Amino acid sequence: QVQLVQSGTEVKKPGSSVKVSCKASGDTFSSYPMSWVRQAPGQGLEWMGGIIPIFGTADYAQNFQGRVTITADESTSTVYMELSSLRSEDTAVYYCARGSGGWYVYWGQGTLVTVSS
Amino acid sequence: EIVMTQSPATLSVSPGKRATLSCRASQSVSTNLAWYQQKPGQAPRLLIYGASTRATGISARFSGSGSGTEFTLTISSLQSEDFALYYCQQYDNWPPMYTFGQGTKLEIK
Repeated sequence: QVQLVQSGTEVKKPGSSVKVSCKASGDTFSSYPMSWVRQAPGQGLEWMGGIIPIFGTADYAQNFQGRVTITADESTSTVYMELSSLRSEDTAVYYCARGSGGWYVYWGQGTLVTVSS
Repeated sequence: EIVMTQSPATLSVSPGKRATLSCRASQSVSTNLAWYQQKPGQAPRLLIYGASTRATGISARFSGSGSGTEFTLTISSLQSEDFALYYCQQYDNWPPMYTFGQGTKLEIK
């Protein structure tokens, strides 16, 4: 049974950075794409980017280029998403999800990031 | 970037009836399309991938169709647990630059 467990709620100041983790268990970690999707309050889903841990290089959505960094640690089966230069519009629930051919069967429980002065 | 447009934004249907949700891509995505259901406070749940293949454990009341730029999710004989938000997602790009539609809220009429 695949499980994705994310780190807890974060409250950040505008201009700062946040790093959210997602630990996978129950299956082979390295060969599956891992992505991050966010959802602002009352809004839809927004794909941020993804990484295949065994390759180590990440791809990012245009909206986040230069502000987001996705990394993976194969030794701990954990993927990370760091978002910098935070602004109020980045307040959202951030989900990690495990890809399979481009679609996502397994999702983390979500991490609420609140950006407020 | 491929833009996904869902319609309608809100769909009101009576229990027991059929609901038809639409998703349009700004350019062809072949059949590289998935549908998700999301309920308040929960992560999305995969319903359909490959435009028409039901995910494991998904009821046969859910069916997907379409290819290219036009896609449809049909839910037959609506049950109370089906009233939720629905999103389409394209995964046609390589390197990946996936995008979601803005969602359709399916509500009880």
